[in-house]
Amino acid sequence: TQLLEQSPQFLSIQEGENLTVYCNSSSVFSSLQWYRQEPGEGPVLLVTVVTGGEVKKLKRLTFQFGDARKDSSLHITAAQPGDTGLYLCAGETFGSGGYQKVTFGTGTKLQVIP
Amino acid sequence: DTEVTQTPKHLVMGMTNKKSLKCEQHMGHRAMYWYKQKAKKPPELMFVYSYEKLSINESVPSRFSPECPNSSLLNLHLHALQPEDSALYLCASSQLNTDTQYFGPGTRLTVL
Repeated sequence: TQLLEQSPQFLSIQEGENLTVYCNSSSVFSSLQWYRQEPGEGPVLLVTVVTGGEVKKLKRLTFQFGDARKDSSLHITAAQPGDTGLYLCAGETFGSGGYQKVTFGTGTKLQVIP
Repeated sequence: DTEVTQTPKHLVMGMTNKKSLKCEQHMGHRAMYWYKQKAKKPPELMFVYSYEKLSINESVPSRFSPECPNSSLLNLHLHALQPEDSALYLCASSQLNTDTQYFGPGTRLTVL
């Protein structure tokens, strides 16, 4: 069974602070995705990283995929209340039929206080 | 249209009821998925359909019965559920051999 452990589990910070969320696994994935989920809604894809060592920036969010494609990090600069939500990493492998087999991480619940 | 729709948004049912959840997408995706998400937990994969055929059943109890009548529709038939089956049920779809799954907003199911 592939497991993805995220840390920290909970994070409560003041507006304007920086933070980093980690996603670690002992398994290698074809790609790794980060989602944000609001309560009662489906996860919304933020980014997909594919290549080991890859770094992607999305405004104040920086995503990194580990060299061995087993781990990833999400760094948020100058957090805003709108960043509040559940952040999920998800490791992906492909089935023989071309479908994705996605394993979600344990989740990090972020609260940004104004 | 990059939307996955799910109906109903909320569902309350008794343990003897039969109900169905519906998921629809018009993006031409040939893979569709059902996930179950308990409160404060990540989504867990239940079923995967590829080309309207069941490819993965993650040892889901038979009281959950998936159906893919065509490439745009995915149903989840519910019968004799237990209170512990109460959860957010998420549908997703994707192109084959690509990295992106698109999630619907989910159906919040409560079993009394």
